[in-house]
Amino acid sequence: LAKTTQPISMDSYEGQEVNITCSHNNIATNDYITWYQQFPSQGPRFIIQGYKTKVTNEVASLFIPADRKSSTLSLPRVSLSDTAVYYCLVGDIGNFGNEKLTFGTGTRLTIIP
Amino acid sequence: GAGVSQSPSNKVTEKGKDVELRCDPISGHTALYWYRQSLGQGLEFLIYFQGNSAPDKSGLPSDRFSAERTGGSVSTLTIQRTQQEDSAVYLCASSLGWTGGINTGELFFGEGSRLTVL
Repeated sequence: LAKTTQPISMDSYEGQEVNITCSHNNIATNDYITWYQQFPSQGPRFIIQGYKTKVTNEVASLFIPADRKSSTLSLPRVSLSDTAVYYCLVGDIGNFGNEKLTFGTGTRLTIIP
Repeated sequence: GAGVSQSPSNKVTEKGKDVELRCDPISGHTALYWYRQSLGQGLEFLIYFQGNSAPDKSGLPSDRFSAERTGGSVSTLTIQRTQQEDSAVYLCASSLGWTGGINTGELFFGEGSRLTVL
């Protein structure tokens, strides 16, 4: 099971682009990279998922280099409502029966007015 | 329902009492997960169900913890002889599971059950 490492916390001002990097040196061939967002007193919610290169949706972009040993979640023009904890997960989505889908401690992002 | 439903939303109990936490997953979701989150901490995996079977029970913290899922739907997490260190938010998530096609494996979480053991 690939272990992930993220910064514990980050601060950013409103309107800026925020990049959160996750390291996963032991990522396996069949593993996908998934990011979740958690607001206080709520369960996490899915943001974005990718396997390689770049993925973009209406919320964020995910950049994955060729070696896949890291990934970067990019949030464009953040607002106060983006203050949350962001978790990076690595796992084989086709083999969830053998995956614990460990979330780790995540990155606490605080947006400053 | 439209989302994952958990009950109770809040439970205060005395040390030594048993508690049951319930999770009603999204209809049609075959996979169900239980996590525990202590204040300011990340999510700790407890147990995973595929249908009614639990291939991985290794995350359960002790033999005081048990979980079952019947009919491939509702799941109950039971904590016997509760201790103060059991105080946490217990989160349930469901997923479509592997369908063999395009599937992100996205987990849909409930709001959680906040357990306080006095």
